[in-house]
Amino acid sequence: DIQMTQSPSSLSASVGDRVTITCRASQGISNYLAWYQQKPGKVPKLLIYTASTLQSGVPSRFSGSGSGTDFTLTISSLQPEDVATYYCQKYNSVPKTFGQGTKVEI
Amino acid sequence: QIQLVQSGAEVKKPGASVKVSCKTSGYTFSNYGITWVRQAPGQGLEWMGWISGNNGNRNYAQKLQGRVTMTTDTSTSTAYMELRSLTSDDTAVYYCARGGGYADYWGQGALVTVSS
Repeated sequence: DIQMTQSPSSLSASVGDRVTITCRASQGISNYLAWYQQKPGKVPKLLIYTASTLQSGVPSRFSGSGSGTDFTLTISSLQPEDVATYYCQKYNSVPKTFGQGTKVEI
Repeated sequence: QIQLVQSGAEVKKPGASVKVSCKTSGYTFSNYGITWVRQAPGQGLEWMGWISGNNGNRNYAQKLQGRVTMTTDTSTSTAYMELRSLTSDDTAVYYCARGGGYADYWGQGALVTVSS
């Protein structure tokens, strides 16, 4: 099975900072990658799919890039409401594994 | 609007089974699959499997093979996930979500607690 590894596991940044989260697949997955945001006690929310397509209604400060094995989620200017855990997920084939998550704090 | 409404919290004894429902509305059920994801307390998201909303094709996570069954009722646009032979490791919030690949709409989650 393809493994999904996120880094870092957690980070602390200031409001207005640019934040980058990395997701690495153990084998190539083309661009079949999604990013989710889960705020404490809440349901996961889709942010990005096909590696770089922003889901409707998601603020433009979120962006995704990458293809093959290496992907990034970038928050261009961190806001207080962005405190959450972020997960990547591959969906090119089963199992459609999630990364272990990256916790973002202010 | 698109909604996925799950059944309520359950408490089960070890060895028992649980069946979680996911009633959908606001879209054509047969056009999308349903993915099931669970999250143990304080842990990350675990993909459990998915089922087609059209033809019943399904795939399960290897670790759950033999214990999990996902089904759909197209007449009521409802998906079901049954998990058998429960242990304490199955204590988690169980989510259904629309989509067989990425999941764009999620249910509210159903807490399943396994305790003697």
